[in-house]
Amino acid sequence: EAQVTQNPRYLITVTGKKLTVTCSQNMNHEYMSWYRQDPGLGLRQIYYSMNVEVTDKGDVPEGYKVSRKEKRNFPLILESPSPNQTSLYFCASRPWQGPEAFFGQGTRLTVV
Amino acid sequence: KQEVTQIPAALSVPEGENLVLNCSFTDSAIYNLQWFRQDPGKGLTSLLLIQSSQREQTSGRLNASLDKSSGRSTLYIAASQPGDSATYLCAVGASGSRLTFGEGTQLTVNP
Repeated sequence: EAQVTQNPRYLITVTGKKLTVTCSQNMNHEYMSWYRQDPGLGLRQIYYSMNVEVTDKGDVPEGYKVSRKEKRNFPLILESPSPNQTSLYFCASRPWQGPEAFFGQGTRLTVV
Repeated sequence: KQEVTQIPAALSVPEGENLVLNCSFTDSAIYNLQWFRQDPGKGLTSLLLIQSSQREQTSGRLNASLDKSSGRSTLYIAASQPGDSATYLCAVGASGSRLTFGEGTQLTVNP
């Protein structure tokens, strides 16, 4: 089954404790991206990657890091999480030519 | 900067009613427009994709239209069912493959 898998689905952490949210896709897609969804603000892109070792900032990259060492994986790293990063996070992937049709189930992160 | 607005923010209708969800965008230089469905605890499911050269797309009871010149898209749902209850998101695709999302319309279809 074609899918984008995020882990964990739910996470509560404390300010300043480094964390990684993993994202993996099994469709051999070149393009992957991360979004955060907040009430009143909708979904906003954090980072995206057009292929292995190629990443770029989206609209709200501050406080986040990403890496793309393998085509299937695109982890989101919060080096020093803060409460304003409490949000619902989505990973997405698509083929190079095509719409961004595949989203993960989301990771609800709470930073206290 | 592209801005996407969806109206209404919430909608409650009785089962069987036909309904229209609206999406407007400020920059007409788009590559495509997509409608997604979001269910609680689940990710986004792509419903319809309209390329910038197209005027509409249909899938089952869903029909989406696109008017680039006026910066508008509509999602028409025929004969609504309780299972259609979800949040519907409009997203505009532009250069660099970025998607700009609206805040969504929360639809409730009452039995």
